[in-house]
Amino acid sequence: EVQLVESGGGLVKPGGSLRLSCAASGFTFSSYSMNWVRQAPGKGLEWVSSISSSSSYIYYADSVKGRFTISRDNAKNSLYLQMNSLRAEDTAVYYCARDRAGGHFDYWGQGTLVTVSS
Amino acid sequence: EIVLTQSPGTLSLSPGERATLSCRASQSVSSSYLAWYQQKPGQAPRLLIYGASSRATGIPDRFSGSGSGTDFTLTISRLEPEDFAVYYCQQYGSSPQNMYTFGQGTKLEIK
Repeated sequence: EVQLVESGGGLVKPGGSLRLSCAASGFTFSSYSMNWVRQAPGKGLEWVSSISSSSSYIYYADSVKGRFTISRDNAKNSLYLQMNSLRAEDTAVYYCARDRAGGHFDYWGQGTLVTVSS
Repeated sequence: EIVLTQSPGTLSLSPGERATLSCRASQSVSSSYLAWYQQKPGQAPRLLIYGASSRATGIPDRFSGSGSGTDFTLTISRLEPEDFAVYYCQQYGSSPQNMYTFGQGTKLEIK
């Protein structure tokens, strides 16, 4: 069974940093591109970042470019999101999601809440 | 950047009725890269349709997708109580960089 489990969310002050993790199991992690997608409270879905299976290709939404860094460790079946210079507008549930190699997300984690507030 | 606009914002229907949800793109989208998701309160999104018309694993056949170019449709042929949720369309594009865009969502509520 495919499982994606996020962790690392919490309350952080504006300008602070946080590192999210996503532990994957039930599939060959190293064969898939992975993504972070976020959802602000009561709002829609926003793609944040993507990383290819071997980390060769990395992309970011303009809203996080230069502040967030996506990475992965295929030996540990884990995906990460380092978030720096956090702003109130980064407050959201962050989901990790697997890319089914067709430009869509076939499995999602349960999400981890990041709250940026003083 | 391609913008996806979903309509209506809210759709009020009764169980047993047919639901038609629209997703319009600001420029042409490859049908291969158009997907639909369902999200219930407090849950992660669930993939329903990919490639504009292919059902994901385990998705009932009352869900169907169609369309091409800039106009795409998700149809639920006969609504079940568990179908009332928010639905999002999503596209993938590679110009100028790989990126994914979601529509703003359609809330399907019980009438």
